[in-house]
Amino acid sequence: DVKVTQSSRYLVKRTGEKVFLECVQDMDHENMFWYRQDPGLGLRLIYFSYDVKMKEKGDIPEGYSVSREKKERFSLILESASTNQTSMYLCASSSGGQGRTDTQYFGPGTRLTVL
Amino acid sequence: GDSVTQMEGPVTLSEEAFLTINCTYTATGYPSLFWYVQYPGEGLQLLLKATKADDKGSNKGFEATYRKETTSFHLEKGSVQVSDSAVYFCALHGGSQGNLIFGKGTKLSVKP
Repeated sequence: DVKVTQSSRYLVKRTGEKVFLECVQDMDHENMFWYRQDPGLGLRLIYFSYDVKMKEKGDIPEGYSVSREKKERFSLILESASTNQTSMYLCASSSGGQGRTDTQYFGPGTRLTVL
Repeated sequence: GDSVTQMEGPVTLSEEAFLTINCTYTATGYPSLFWYVQYPGEGLQLLLKATKADDKGSNKGFEATYRKETTSFHLEKGSVQVSDSAVYFCALHGGSQGNLIFGKGTKLSVKP
């Protein structure tokens, strides 16, 4: 079974802190994604990556950055956390490479609260 | 651009009732279509998918048929159980970057 793990289930940070959310997948997938999920807005894509050291902006990249130094790991970085970044963050991975979208497999999510 | 519209919830049903969650889409070409389910406290899981017109995806008693003429992919189940209580997301593979585009989700609550 594909497994996508996220470093924390719950996280509380203060405004202005730098926050790292880690995601690891164990199926050698090329593609990895970061979404945020908010009530009434569904899932919105923040960043994605089709390969090591590459990244592409999604629909709402402002205030975020990402890092993919190894194929299995995709990190989301909040450079200076703000209260409007309080949300559920979901990581996903899929095989297939750029332009192809096979089934995406999701991690359990990290609920981030910024005070 | 490409988009997905699904019925707003919450939907509350009694056990063994019939379920329909409507999903319509706007897209260029013929995208693959998906239903994902999110149980309380968990991430999303693929429930079923269809890759071309008239395909029927099915899993765990749920079904959805890819209708090109009505641009729809409605989710149905003949007899729901309490354990089906979850949030259901319709999605398509499309958009300018070829990613998944999700609807806003429909919360289903099934009462015993």
